[in-house]
Amino acid sequence: GQSLEQPSEVTAVEGAIVQINCTYQTSGFYGLSWYQQHDGGAPTFLSYNALDGLEETGRFSSFLSRSDSYGYLLLQELQMKDSASYFCAAILTGGGNKLTFGTGTQLKVEL
Amino acid sequence: DSGVTQTPKHLITATGQRVTLRCSPRSGDLSVYWYQQSLDQGLQFLIQYYNGEERAKGNILERFSAQQFPDLHSELNLSSLELGDSALYFCASSDQQGGSMDTGELFFGEGSRLTVL
Repeated sequence: GQSLEQPSEVTAVEGAIVQINCTYQTSGFYGLSWYQQHDGGAPTFLSYNALDGLEETGRFSSFLSRSDSYGYLLLQELQMKDSASYFCAAILTGGGNKLTFGTGTQLKVEL
Repeated sequence: DSGVTQTPKHLITATGQRVTLRCSPRSGDLSVYWYQQSLDQGLQFLIQYYNGEERAKGNILERFSAQQFPDLHSELNLSSLELGDSALYFCASSDQQGGSMDTGELFFGEGSRLTVL
């Protein structure tokens, strides 16, 4: 089956850098996206990697290694408002844009 | 505001009942997706429609059904409800059908919180 594993919880201090990892086992993998969700609110899109390497979007960067079936989200200059759940999501090929979400990582930013 | 509208925001009902959740996608988006999120769980893909046709199916129970209408809004019907169906149900939309041009960006509504008592 399809699975994307993430650490359940990560804690960091304001101003620090944190990395949230995602390892996946999927068939028909096309790309990896990242979403942020605050307290049961609507998930919001952060970034996307179709190719290996690093994609940078402001304070957030995302990395993908297809050979290792691994990706990560890097958050820099952490702010309190970054406390949220972060999900990686694999885009799967073969009939429709199925976006399969990972288990999610709850990030707590402390003072 | 993502532009995706879901109603109702909250719904409380009893076991064995049937409910309908409604979703209006962003203007111009042809694809609609439904996801289920149980307490402290990830997002489980249920079903996708593109321009009125079913495009992909996930872990959707037989008691659940969905459709997309000509005006592109979608409804998710949940019947013979059980306690375990209590969850947040999200609708998302995109302008893409699927395939190599996808960027993985979906626009999510605020969700419908269903409580089954």
